[in-house]
Amino acid sequence: DTAVSQTPKYLVTQMGNDKSIKCEQNLGHDTMYWYKQDSKKFLKIMFSYNNKELIINETVPNRFSPKSPDKAHLNLHINSLELGDSAVYFCASSQDFASGRAKNIQYFGAGTRLSVL
Amino acid sequence: TQLLEQSPQFLSIQEGENLTVYCNSSSVFSSLQWYRQEPGEGPVLLVTVVTGGEVKKLKRLTFQFGDARKDSSLHITAAQPGDTGLYLCAGAKTNAGKSTFGDGTTLTVKP
Repeated sequence: DTAVSQTPKYLVTQMGNDKSIKCEQNLGHDTMYWYKQDSKKFLKIMFSYNNKELIINETVPNRFSPKSPDKAHLNLHINSLELGDSAVYFCASSQDFASGRAKNIQYFGAGTRLSVL
Repeated sequence: TQLLEQSPQFLSIQEGENLTVYCNSSSVFSSLQWYRQEPGEGPVLLVTVVTGGEVKKLKRLTFQFGDARKDSSLHITAAQPGDTGLYLCAGAKTNAGKSTFGDGTTLTVKP
């Protein structure tokens, strides 16, 4: 069983459209994250949720809206897609967000490659 | 300004060679992780270091955390083509709720 699974793996869409990416983890973790990896492979955090509550929002445009229906799921909805949104989006989870020895180790999904045309 | 800087950014070597990748910062971290990411996949954790001066070995990979917990290195002995990938370091601060990732080192090991 995949620990952190994202769907879809590939997403090709036109500018101005609205799209969603889904993420589920079966590790029993409390904390989930969304990252954006650009063409230079730089991995930048966007959001983090702990037990369904938003704890990190890193100056992401408000066209991006995360939603956590329960602690095993963290979805990302993007409105009015722009060319610059093209990237690989990774979901991750960790036991907790505290920086204990193992609690903040993150497990990543395989990524969603978004191409905005 | 990048909080964690990795060097080199790109490294292409022959099978059997040794190499070292560096992860440097002016900030102190409570823990630091190294990940490897293969094409089309997400990063996978290799190691976590938490104590200044700590050295951890994972087969041919040796990880060191700087004494001041501001930097780290990854040394690979006798590199193999299977080591090819993007290596990322990530630093965490106590209760900050997030890790900051370095800008990555892309390693290619040619057979």
